[in-house]
Amino acid sequence: KAGVTQTPRYLIKTRGQQVTLSCSPISGHRSVSWYQQTPGQGLQFLFEYFSETQRNKGNFPGRFSGRQFSNSRSEMNVSTLELGDSALYLCASSLALGGAGNTIYFGEGSWLTVV
Amino acid sequence: AQSVAQPEDQVNVAEGNPLTVKCTYSVSGNPYLFWYVQYPNRGLQFLLKYITGDNLVKGSYGFEAEFNKSQTSFHLKKPSALVSDSALYFCAVRDISSGTYKYIFGTGTRLKVLA
Repeated sequence: KAGVTQTPRYLIKTRGQQVTLSCSPISGHRSVSWYQQTPGQGLQFLFEYFSETQRNKGNFPGRFSGRQFSNSRSEMNVSTLELGDSALYLCASSLALGGAGNTIYFGEGSWLTVV
Repeated sequence: AQSVAQPEDQVNVAEGNPLTVKCTYSVSGNPYLFWYVQYPNRGLQFLLKYITGDNLVKGSYGFEAEFNKSQTSFHLKKPSALVSDSALYFCAVRDISSGTYKYIFGTGTRLKVLA
């Protein structure tokens, strides 16, 4: 069974540009969440999608947005990039939304460098 | 608010020796606790979780974790460390109180196993 697939793996963008990252969840998983990982802030929750609807959102500015498609694939977009957006962006999928014991499984991540 | 703490930034252990990576938690209600491992330039891999039941939880790659309610701890252990266990380890708690069920991660502990 294929794992969570994220594309692209590495990318370099210039300040002010925008970027779109893609995530394909494990087959059968309907919930997709996104996290930002930086050395200074650790792992920070961005948002979670289920059935094409954003269900939860972390404390990030409106420049960070996402969406989920009917096949559960998800994209996240960051507009007007800042140097501080340089990070590893991790996508995770799980079978369903909520459920305390529900385990999330991560992809390899997309490394974004803003110059 | 739900939180986890990993008091050690780095743990060094000799190959063949037992290892312990510490995690303490603060939750309202029942804790739902997880351990993940991250190898260099990779995403996070699920190791094990505690939902309810036995205080000793067994997981992948020979790892286990001991849940201790009185000490609010969930330490990760392995009887005999391998050099290949060297990685970054994250403890996480499921945020039940807010109704979002998002994961809250610790700051991570870098494990270095010396040959």
